[in-house]
Amino acid sequence: GDSVTQMEGPVTLSEEAFLTINCTYTATGYPSLFWYVQYPGEGLQLLLKATKADDKGSNKGFEATYRKETTSFHLEKGSVQVSDSAVYFCALSPGGSNTGNQFYFGTGTSLTVIP
Amino acid sequence: KAGVTQTPRYLIKTRGQQVTLSCSPISGHRSVSWYQQTPGQGLQFLFEYFSETQRNKGNFPGRFSGRQFSNSRSEMNVSTLELGDSALYLCASSLKAGSYNSPLHFGNGTRLTVT
Repeated sequence: GDSVTQMEGPVTLSEEAFLTINCTYTATGYPSLFWYVQYPGEGLQLLLKATKADDKGSNKGFEATYRKETTSFHLEKGSVQVSDSAVYFCALSPGGSNTGNQFYFGTGTSLTVIP
Repeated sequence: KAGVTQTPRYLIKTRGQQVTLSCSPISGHRSVSWYQQTPGQGLQFLFEYFSETQRNKGNFPGRFSGRQFSNSRSEMNVSTLELGDSALYLCASSLKAGSYNSPLHFGNGTRLTVT
């Protein structure tokens, strides 16, 4: 079945450090891939998405490239800020009108950025 | 445009009671999904509704049920509450069901505590 495996946390970085959070997926079809971010006490917010192989999603300095050959969608940011401290979720949508809109989420990676 | 609204934000119930949670999707969104989030299990899919029909259901007991109204608003109900039902319940809406370019938009959740 479809699933997402995400890098375990927590991750602690100093401000301006480089961030990578690994995400790999298993899917039977041609899924869309997403990164969501959750701040304390809030729901999940869409950070970026990619809908086909080799697409790069980007937003707020974060980037992720849909790699079909390695079934990966790693999240990167060149220089993190304290305000990036949150929990990050990788997610997969199988797509296709017959499958409804069930998403599969990774377990989440907690990021803390220290000044 | 107003986001996804969930009410109430917090609930405290006793074992054996039942509870109803409400969700108003983003205007124009016809698909509403529910997820349970716990520290141990992460995000688990409960069910998804589209045009008042349940399209997909996760692996939860029959005590968990939901419905969607003609205005796309949705409710979920949990009967005979157990301690393990304590969780953050997240509602998400999307423009289309099963579309590659239709991300989920989440509300801030209802925090349910069962004592």
